[in-house]
Amino acid sequence: DAGVIQSPRHEVTEMGQEVTLRCKPISGHNSLFWYRQTMMRGLELLIYFNNNVPIDDSGMPEDRFSAKMPNASFSTLKIQPSEPRDSAVYFCASSFGDPGKLFFGSGTQLSVL
Amino acid sequence: DAKTTQPPSMDCAEGRAANLPCNHSTISGNEYVYWYRQIHSQGPQYIIHGLKNNETNEMASLIITEDRKSSTLILPHATLRDTAVYYCIVRRGGGNKLTFGTGTQLKVEL
Repeated sequence: DAGVIQSPRHEVTEMGQEVTLRCKPISGHNSLFWYRQTMMRGLELLIYFNNNVPIDDSGMPEDRFSAKMPNASFSTLKIQPSEPRDSAVYFCASSFGDPGKLFFGSGTQLSVL
Repeated sequence: DAKTTQPPSMDCAEGRAANLPCNHSTISGNEYVYWYRQIHSQGPQYIIHGLKNNETNEMASLIITEDRKSSTLILPHATLRDTAVYYCIVRRGGGNKLTFGTGTQLKVEL
């Protein structure tokens, strides 16, 4: 199994641009989570989906952030417009059965200049 | 979910057992203890979890005190590749969120 696949690995963009991060969960997993990691705030849960339906988006920082899961094998996290304070590593994780046993991707390092 | 307290850093000699403590004195009866680790520049990795019994797998052992107010993750023979931040997390049974704290930076040295 290839594990959770995230793309791109690195993204450098300018303030005001739209950024789209992508995630392919492990086949058969029914829950998907988006986390953000910064030095100041650590790992923060942004949103999670169960069976492709958003369950809790209380961690999404503001309306500039949106996430979708059009099918069981794909999810996106979009930031529009991006700001320098959005610079972070964004992780996607998936699980099946035990929601505490997450499998994380390698993350996307986002730099907004 | 119950709050956890971990030491910010620990050192361990290669080949020795690494014992990482975690305090979760406000844990409730239906809350599980999970351990993850994060090697630099990688995503967090699940290690082990338990409710009240001690658990062991190929990676580590988890010892939970009888009153469940604390636990210890044991890496029996630490190697340099075990250098990572280790997170102790308490999750409510039925809950879907994992809230990561600041963890313990374990440094394994020769």
